Amino acid sequence: DGGITQSPKYLFRKEGQNVTLSCEQNLNHDAMYWYRQDPGQGLRLIYYSQIVNDFQKGDIAEGYSVSREKKESFPLTVTSAQKNPTAFYLCASNRGGGETQYFGPGTRLLVL
Amino acid sequence: GESVGLHLPTLSVQEGDNSIINCAYSNSASDYFIWYKQESGKGPQFIIDIRSNMDKRQGQRVTVLLNKTVKHLSLQIAATQPGDSAVYFCAEIIYYSSASKIIFGSGTRLSIRP
Repeated sequence: DGGITQSPKYLFRKEGQNVTLSCEQNLNHDAMYWYRQDPGQGLRLIYYSQIVNDFQKGDIAEGYSVSREKKESFPLTVTSAQKNPTAFYLCASNRGGGETQYFGPGTRLLVL
Repeated sequence: GESVGLHLPTLSVQEGDNSIINCAYSNSASDYFIWYKQESGKGPQFIIDIRSNMDKRQGQRVTVLLNKTVKHLSLQIAATQPGDSAVYFCAEIIYYSSASKIIFGSGTRLSIRP
């Protein structure tokens, strides 16, 4: 897990509710990433940020939003527009570019 | 299109034997490859990496082999232990002029027989 923390470990969402997943890193990394992992599948990129106050959509950004107000933090909001949010969400960070990404422990989101 | 895949979705190995996990990639422009280990309910952990100008790299009990001719990557784990049980997946990084892209494979589950 390194210096990347995610909270909570489990999160329950009700229909029509927005929920926010936390990701914090103390590695002084410039870039941060959010991935979604479904059972038996690989990682799919939701959003990424290469620098503070800037972020880009990944391959499956619809129904999600992010912010990057601080270098250490990259919270992900799963909005009510995301109709199939149940998944394991992973946050990663690196120094940027094609450097190795290091992952947090993940948050499992379940829908009630 | 670009893809990073795995030959076998599951692999069962006798404890103490060597494990070989394979990964095929399709983009000949890939510059950098990483193997990750993911235990159940946890985030992926970096195991070992290799640059495209190398064909072999060794770590502690692990070796990664890269065959660019056939676009094949393998992870060898020596003397497999119960703690090696996990999903292993490769990642491929392609550098462009101003950016890079990482593509993850779907993973191979390694199980250890006592």
